[in-house]
Amino acid sequence: AQSVTQLDSQVPVFEEAPVELRCNYSSSVSVYLFWYVQYPNQGLQLLLKYLSGSTLVKGINGFEAEFNKSQTSFHLRKPSVHISDTAEYFCAVSDLRGNNDMRFGAGTRLTVKP
Amino acid sequence: NAGVTQTPKFRVLKTGQSMTLLCAQDMNHEYMYWYRQDPGMGLRLIHYSVGEGTTAKGEVPDGYNVSRLKKQNFLLGLESAAPSQTSVYFCASSLGQPYNEQFFGPGTRLTVL
Repeated sequence: AQSVTQLDSQVPVFEEAPVELRCNYSSSVSVYLFWYVQYPNQGLQLLLKYLSGSTLVKGINGFEAEFNKSQTSFHLRKPSVHISDTAEYFCAVSDLRGNNDMRFGAGTRLTVKP
Repeated sequence: NAGVTQTPKFRVLKTGQSMTLLCAQDMNHEYMYWYRQDPGMGLRLIHYSVGEGTTAKGEVPDGYNVSRLKKQNFLLGLESAAPSQTSVYFCASSLGQPYNEQFFGPGTRLTVL
């Protein structure tokens, strides 16, 4: 089965600074990749997803991610963060076989400080 | 549209008690899922359903049962709760296919004493 590793459990950053949240995946077949965000006391919501085509994917709230097949990575970036970006971010992978088995990483808690 | 709703939001059980968590969606989605979220472990799939009347096991199904009698509802049952089942439970739904996003409910925080 596929798996996801989020390399940082916590990322503190100052407001207006750039941020990168790292995600690596493992799978024996081609995959679809997702980033979800979870604000405090809420469910997850989709930030962006990679299905195919351009390896640079743009999402909501100014986030973008780059798919790198050779590095099996899907890192999330934002050039300038806001206080409101404070949340937990989850990378997720599902494979093309359609076995309804989306695997999530352990999450990265992004804290934006003033 | 309410999206995905979960009932209850919080619950405290004693070891051995039973309970049912209700998930409802109004998006006419075929697929529904139950996850548990534990610190440092992300979300793990408990059970899922690909349509009314169908259910299947996920990654961590032991100790849980599910039913999907109506397309819009997906119930998660704990027959005999254990402290290891203390967690936050999320329901999600989707159109199906691995490339579709999942829509999540707000979660149920369950504590088993």
